[in-house]
Amino acid sequence: TQLLEQSPQFLSIQEGENLTVYCNSSSVFSSLQWYRQEPGEGPVLLVTVVTGGEVKKLKRLTFQFGDARKDSSLHITAAQPGDTGLYLCAGAGNQFYFGTGTSLTVIP
Amino acid sequence: GAGVSQSPSNKVTEKGKDVELRCDPISGHTALYWYRQSLGQGLEFLIYFQGNSAPDKSGLPSDRFSAERTGGSVSTLTIQRTQQEDSAVYLCASSLWEGDVYEQYFGPGTRLTVT
Repeated sequence: TQLLEQSPQFLSIQEGENLTVYCNSSSVFSSLQWYRQEPGEGPVLLVTVVTGGEVKKLKRLTFQFGDARKDSSLHITAAQPGDTGLYLCAGAGNQFYFGTGTSLTVIP
Repeated sequence: GAGVSQSPSNKVTEKGKDVELRCDPISGHTALYWYRQSLGQGLEFLIYFQGNSAPDKSGLPSDRFSAERTGGSVSTLTIQRTQQEDSAVYLCASSLWEGDVYEQYFGPGTRLTVT
């Protein structure tokens, strides 16, 4: 059973476009993290959101935690080729539950 | 400070052989996690340690998999009688428990190929 579902699974866009990645669950989490992973490397933590309804901005990235703390979204403005990678959400409970991943390709 | 390190970075082994993967967590991190990742996929939880204890072993795929952690630091993941379906990247992460919020820091992974 996959606790966290991400959509879309694959995304290929042109440089300069905006995009949103979704992370959905029927479970409540005490916190939720977003990671980016590049080929051959481990995931790198981008942000942690804790409070329902919380919005965090990291340069061109905006992260939102749902009011019920069951879902989250990642919005990227004016995507750049350097944003290419696998984006993973992870909910914190008794352990970390990772989402299915979204593979993003930004074409120059 | 140093991050999470894993060794070896790559391991090629023949089917049926045993392999041992090592993880050195960030100094002072009490929790340590092992995951498995197939090409381009999300992470499959295997096991985690709090100190030297493993409260949750539910993710280990079979009894061929085992893990230990000594001194609250280094951990080894052992796979006995490897099978081709064990081929994957094995990732280790550590975290420092801080109330209800804890964040994982990952190592670069060990790519295991079983031929």
